[in-house]
Amino acid sequence: EVQLVESGGDLVQPGGSLRLSCAASGFSLSSHWMQWVRQAPGKGLVWVSRISNDMRTTEHAASVQGRFTISRDDAKNTMYLQMRSLRSDDTAVYYCVRDSGWNAYDIWGQGTMVTVSS
Amino acid sequence: DIVMTQTPLSLSVTPGQPASISCKSSQSLLHRGGKTYLHWYLQRPGQSPQLLIYEVSRRLPGVPDRFSGSGSGTDFTLEISRVDAEDVGIYYCMQGIQVPLTFGGGTKVEIK
Repeated sequence: EVQLVESGGDLVQPGGSLRLSCAASGFSLSSHWMQWVRQAPGKGLVWVSRISNDMRTTEHAASVQGRFTISRDDAKNTMYLQMRSLRSDDTAVYYCVRDSGWNAYDIWGQGTMVTVSS
Repeated sequence: DIVMTQTPLSLSVTPGQPASISCKSSQSLLHRGGKTYLHWYLQRPGQSPQLLIYEVSRRLPGVPDRFSGSGSGTDFTLEISRVDAEDVGIYYCMQGIQVPLTFGGGTKVEIK
């Protein structure tokens, strides 16, 4: 079965760090662009980051640029989102998504909750 | 950034009746290659979003044919020909042509 499973979400203090993981099964991450999308409580969907299938390209939303880093470990078939200098407005459910082409996300994980609060 | 504007914010529909959601982009989503990168997602209550339609009008396998997408350039529409109870949720349009990728604010569909 093709699926994505996120983990790593937690309660963290402002200024803290966290690393999210996204484990893929049923397909190889190296065959697809992969992305992160987040959703603050009661709010809409917001694109965060993406990484190309060959890992040569990574891009981030302006709001997280310089604080978040997307990466991938093909041996583990797992994608990561390293988050630093977290702020309260980073509080959200973070979804890992597979890009089936031109940013059409055909597979979504169940999401992992990140709460930034003192 | 491309701004995606959806209307209405919410819809209350009688089962079996049609529903229509509009999505407008601040820039054309037509790529020089000839395709238009506008996608539609549905987020059912308590669930992760799911892709319904990609490239304006292409239904993902398994999506009921009562869902259809249309439009071009900057104006797009998602139509549900006969709303079913399982169609309840929030619908989002999204542009896939340019980073930062952006979503519409969502349209909440409820059953009367």
